Amino acid sequence: EIVLTQSPGTLSLSPGERATLSCRASQSVSSSYLAWYQQKPGQAPRLLIYGASSRATGIPDSFSGSGSGTDFTLTISRLEPEDFAVYYCQHFGSSPGITFGQGTRLEIK
Amino acid sequence: EAQLVQSGAEVKKPGESLKISCKGSGYSFTTYWIGWVRQMPGKGLEWMGIIYPSASDIRYSPPFQGQVTISADKSISTAFLQWSSLKASDTAMYYCARTSFNYLSAFNIWGQGTMVTVSS
Repeated sequence: EIVLTQSPGTLSLSPGERATLSCRASQSVSSSYLAWYQQKPGQAPRLLIYGASSRATGIPDSFSGSGSGTDFTLTISRLEPEDFAVYYCQHFGSSPGITFGQGTRLEIK
Repeated sequence: EAQLVQSGAEVKKPGESLKISCKGSGYSFTTYWIGWVRQMPGKGLEWMGIIYPSASDIRYSPPFQGQVTISADKSISTAFLQWSSLKASDTAMYYCARTSFNYLSAFNIWGQGTMVTVSS
């Protein structure tokens, strides 16, 4: 079973700064099967990135994903007030199927 | 526009049964996978299982195997998640979500969530 570990648990930054969120897999995974989501309080998650680096429809280009093998990164180039939320990475593939990381909370400093 | 609409919040007692729903519209219901995701209060996302309505192919996450039942009714474009005997620990928000493509892929469409509260 693949385990995804996200770091840091909480990231405190100011609007305008750059955010770098990490997702590490317990074994090498195909980048095709790695996604990132954003969740704001009281809302359902929203797909940001799929295939490790492809932005979902409507996602601004301030969000970018990268990585391969066991190490993946979500970068927000310049934080807007609405970007402060919880972010999850996800792997989907063979048994058991789908795994989420535990999440990174991005909070305003 | 593709969307998923879930049934409303539920308050149940331990030991009761429950079936919640997720209705798809604006797309071909049978050609995309629909997954269920649990979020306990203040916690992260947990994948419970997934169904491909066209073939009734169902896969469960090991912790949820035998604890819940996932099904779908193609005639009404609706997926279901059910419990036969609820526990207090089932208290959570439950989301359904649709894959981006007609194979296992990221979830690009999410329901609004169904809050289930189990309390005596």
